[in-house]
Amino acid sequence: GENVEQHPSTLSVQEGDSAVIKCTYSDSASNYFPWYKQELGKGPQLIIDIRSNVGEKKDQRIAVTLNKTAKHFSLHITETQPEDSAVYFCAALDSNYQLIWGAGTKLIIKP
Amino acid sequence: DGGITQSPKYLFRKEGQNVTLSCEQNLNHDAMYWYRQDPGQGLRLIYYSQIVNDFQKGDIAEGYSVSREKKESFPLTVTSAQKNPTAFYLCASGRDQSTDTQYFGPGTRLTVL
Repeated sequence: GENVEQHPSTLSVQEGDSAVIKCTYSDSASNYFPWYKQELGKGPQLIIDIRSNVGEKKDQRIAVTLNKTAKHFSLHITETQPEDSAVYFCAALDSNYQLIWGAGTKLIIKP
Repeated sequence: DGGITQSPKYLFRKEGQNVTLSCEQNLNHDAMYWYRQDPGQGLRLIYYSQIVNDFQKGDIAEGYSVSREKKESFPLTVTSAQKNPTAFYLCASGRDQSTDTQYFGPGTRLTVL
């Protein structure tokens, strides 16, 4: 079955710098890859997603890239701000239409 | 105002008691899901439902039960058979299972005393 690995588990960056979180997946049939942001004590919120027919998608300061050959996808946040501090989760939709989740990355924005 | 609501936000239970967590959505979504989240970990699927009166076990269904009598509602019962029930429980819904995007409620934090 599908397995998703996410790195790093914790990422600390200076405010204004960029942050990159990476995920790898194992099932080549997976075709949908969402990213969620979870603030403390709240439910995850979808921030961006990508389907396997495109290699990159951008929404303001957030972008996601997908390399199907290497089976990895990444979240890029530019010009980081204090409100970007949260836990970020990647996921991949497996062949049974179930989302398989990464373990999460705690992003810390240092002032 | 559309969305997913979960209640209560915090729940305390004594060992040996069953407890039911509520999840309601007014998004007209067919698919609904229950996840469990433990500190510092990702989400694990407990149960999911693609349509009224039908549901399937996820990866960690033991000690849990669900019902789907109405499209809008998908309550989760944590039974006394669940050995380690203290966790953060998240409900999600999606237009249907194959359209991928899941939207989450605010969660219920269950603590067993």
